[in-house]
Amino acid sequence: GAGVSQSPRYKVAKRGQDVALRCDPISGHVSLFWYQQALGQGPEFLTYFQNEAQLDKSGLPSDRFFAERPEGSVSTLKIQRTQQEDSAVYLCASSPAAGRNTEAFFGQGTRLTVV
Amino acid sequence: AQSVTQPDIHITVSEGASLELRCNYSYGATPYLFWYVQSPGQGLQLLLKYFSGDTLVQGIKGFEAEFKRSQSSFNLRKPSVHWSDAAEYFCAVGGRNDYKLSFGAGTTVTVRA
Repeated sequence: GAGVSQSPRYKVAKRGQDVALRCDPISGHVSLFWYQQALGQGPEFLTYFQNEAQLDKSGLPSDRFFAERPEGSVSTLKIQRTQQEDSAVYLCASSPAAGRNTEAFFGQGTRLTVV
Repeated sequence: AQSVTQPDIHITVSEGASLELRCNYSYGATPYLFWYVQSPGQGLQLLLKYFSGDTLVQGIKGFEAEFKRSQSSFNLRKPSVHWSDAAEYFCAVGGRNDYKLSFGAGTTVTVRA
């Protein structure tokens, strides 16, 4: 596709359930980012991949959060034992540049609601 | 530490009127500055960016922004708003070799007929 695609668009999880959120970046984009956007807030950085390497996971809130990009394209953000505070929109972005700032293209996000 | 402040949580403007959204940033080196727009249920779309050079940058949809280093500001403007400009607007800062972006909390723009 032409843009960053995320699935599912909406996810309702019961507290304690594990979830997996998928991101298909723009083909050929080296960099991939995950951001978390709480209600009424701006996006907060979670993690950064350059190809398949996870170079920065400093923004992951806890060890319940795990991200991977095994083949340097599709990425999955996994949240184990979901808590209510995990409810947010999870945004994925990709960029053609490696290790430096340039325009990042964002997907539509996955809205996670933990009940 | 880098941070962005958007002082206005919500702005209401009449269709056809001008719009200015404020953004103040804190960044230890030369900043890269961005404005994104987010419509309901949508992802972020880049309106414009400033990396270097001319401090007045033009973007899509008739928006422009001015970088003022002395004021640590990067305000967004549009001379005449359209109803379709109703959305949430985010200012963000990063650095040349800093892939992370720090976003402000956003400004919601309502356009009245």
